[in-house]
Amino acid sequence: DAKTTQPNSMESNEEEPVHLPCNHSTISGTDYIHWYRQLPSQGPEYVIHGLTSNVNNRMASLAIAEDRKSSTLILHRATLRDAAVYYCILRGYSANAGGTSYGKLTFGQGTILTVHP
Amino acid sequence: EAGVTQFPSHSVIEKGQTVTLRCDPISGHDNLYWYRRVMGKEIKFLLHFVKESKQDESGMPNNRFLAERTGGTYSTLKVQPAELEDSGVYFCASSQVFGGRIDEQFFGPGTRLTVL
Repeated sequence: DAKTTQPNSMESNEEEPVHLPCNHSTISGTDYIHWYRQLPSQGPEYVIHGLTSNVNNRMASLAIAEDRKSSTLILHRATLRDAAVYYCILRGYSANAGGTSYGKLTFGQGTILTVHP
Repeated sequence: EAGVTQFPSHSVIEKGQTVTLRCDPISGHDNLYWYRRVMGKEIKFLLHFVKESKQDESGMPNNRFLAERTGGTYSTLKVQPAELEDSGVYFCASSQVFGGRIDEQFFGPGTRLTVL
C-alpha cells in the first residue's frame, strides 16, 4: 500500500473548523483515500472516503487535490467529541481480498487532534 | 442494530498461558478482520475472513496465533503460548460489500491483552 504522511498533532478550538492534511505523493490511480478516526478507548471509526472528487457526509468533508497527491479532511465545526487520532489511509484493490472488498486497512501514525473548549 | 462486540474487554495472563479472544461481527457481515496495536506501534492488520474462509493471513505474526470463524459468524483468535510481546489491544472489524464497492469497516471496542 502507498504511504501517507500526516502531522503528528494538531490543535483546534471548539466550534472552529479544522483542516487535517494528508500527503500521499505515491498514490496510484486506483487507490481510494480513506479517513478513519479513533476516539479514546474505542476502536477506529470510519469517517469518509473518496477517489477523485470532493466528498461530503454528515461527519466531515474530504477535499482531494487535483493531482491526488494530497487531501484534506475538514471538520466544519469541531466539538470536544471530535478529539481523536485521525488516520489517512490509502486503499487499493487487493487480490488477497477475494474480490469481495478492498481488504485490509493499513494504518499509519495518524494525527492527534486536540480540541480546546 | 448491535455493533461489533468483543470479549473479554481485558485479559491478563502469564507468559506461556493460552488466551482466546472472541469477536461477534455485525449480523450479516461476511467480512471479518482482526487487527492489533502493540505498545507504541501502529495498528496492524492480522487477518481477513470472508464468511468462514481465511482470505488473507498475511499479517499473522507466527504460528502461535490461530484464528477461526465458525460457520461464518463469530470468530476467535487464540494465542498459544502467549509471549510478552503479544501484549496490546486486539481489534475486530466487520463489513459487508455489495457489488465490489468499497466497504466501511465497523470496529469493535477491542480486547486489551496483558501478558506478564
